[in-house]
Amino acid sequence: RKEVEQDPGPFNVPEGATVAFNCTYSNSASQSFFWYRQDCRKEPKLLMSVYSSGNEDGRFTAQLNRASQYISLLIRDSKLSDSATYLCVLTGGGNKLTFGTGTQLKVEL
Amino acid sequence: GAGVSQSPSNKVTEKGKDVELRCDPISGHTALYWYRQSLGQGLEFLIYFQGNSAPDKSGLPSDRFSAERTGGSVSTLTIQRTQQEDSAVYLCASSLMDRGTGELFFGEGSRLTVL
Repeated sequence: RKEVEQDPGPFNVPEGATVAFNCTYSNSASQSFFWYRQDCRKEPKLLMSVYSSGNEDGRFTAQLNRASQYISLLIRDSKLSDSATYLCVLTGGGNKLTFGTGTQLKVEL
Repeated sequence: GAGVSQSPSNKVTEKGKDVELRCDPISGHTALYWYRQSLGQGLEFLIYFQGNSAPDKSGLPSDRFSAERTGGSVSTLTIQRTQQEDSAVYLCASSLMDRGTGELFFGEGSRLTVL
């Protein structure tokens, strides 16, 4: 089983839609979780951390389910500018960050 | 500059040649990572430096790949006897891991093309 697994997509959604991505992980000892965003031909950038109690940042909501070993990202009221690849990231042993292969989102008019 | 700096931004080389890629992290960042990303693929972990600890080299794909970090700052990734499958964007990132924020700051990458 891969350390981090994501549905590659693409998810094609109309502007204004709500879309959610999941990411599963295999290492139950993982402590920290994040969502990164990567635009086409650009470097990844931190979107938000994921906290155990769930957290929200504007239109974005992140959730962590330790029992089932997955994290999720919900985007409400999608904008064209949200089109990107969303990378699930977590720490394994020794603070090393491991990236998922990403889920591609395309928001259309 | 304030960000992570990588050079060269583009490198075209012939199969069998050696290449060196350089990463200048953000000053004071103790953690430094190298990843590579092939076209349309995810990030593949290569190597991780954390302070004075021994580096985690578990992601290096073969013994043709090596990396060092001098003085806890600048890092060089060396690929010997390059092969066509080495073509990718090589991304360097640094972090203040002692803060536990987990935010990696990436450079813009070095795009390597092996002919």
